[in-house]
Amino acid sequence: GNSVTQMEGPVTLSEEAFLTINCTYTATGYPSLFWYVQYPGEGLQLLLKATKADDKGSNKGFEATYRKETTSFHLEKGSVQVSDSAVYFCALANSGGYQKVTFGTGTKLQVIP
Amino acid sequence: DAGVTQSPTHLIKTRGQQVTLRCSPKSGHDTVSWYQQALGQGPQFIFQYYEEEERQRGNFPDRFSGHQFPNYSSELNVNALLLGDSALYLCASSLDNAGAVTDTQYFGPGTRLTVL
Repeated sequence: GNSVTQMEGPVTLSEEAFLTINCTYTATGYPSLFWYVQYPGEGLQLLLKATKADDKGSNKGFEATYRKETTSFHLEKGSVQVSDSAVYFCALANSGGYQKVTFGTGTKLQVIP
Repeated sequence: DAGVTQSPTHLIKTRGQQVTLRCSPKSGHDTVSWYQQALGQGPQFIFQYYEEEERQRGNFPDRFSGHQFPNYSSELNVNALLLGDSALYLCASSLDNAGAVTDTQYFGPGTRLTVL
């Protein structure tokens, strides 16, 4: 079955530091890959997505590249802000037909001034 | 354009009771999925509704059931509540694109259920 593994948190960074959150996946076929973000007390928001190999998803300074050869979709940001503090979830969904999203366990990011 | 809405925001029940949670999908979406997110965990897929039918289900017992209405809104029902059912319940909507890559799911803010 499908599964997503992401790095354990929490991750604590100083403002303007570089961020990487690792994510690897196991899936059949060619899934779509997502990063969702959950701010304190809120639901999930789609941050970015990629639907095929070598695609790069980007949004709000975050980016992630779909690497089929390493089954990875690592999240990066060059300079984090305090407002980026949240829990980040890597996820996948198989293409074609029904969409059931499989999530990782989440990585909590805390950015300190 | 209203996004996905859920009600109620919070709910407190006791063991053995039954609960109904409601979801209105994003405008133009016809597919609704439900997820359970336990504290500190990622969301777990419960089931998905399309054309008023349950078409896919995760590893949840029959105590969890649902319904989709002609206007695409949906309800999640949980019977015989257990302490372990305490969680954030998320509804997600999407547009079924038959035969093609499905569209992204958009999530509501969730309903926080506490079972005492």
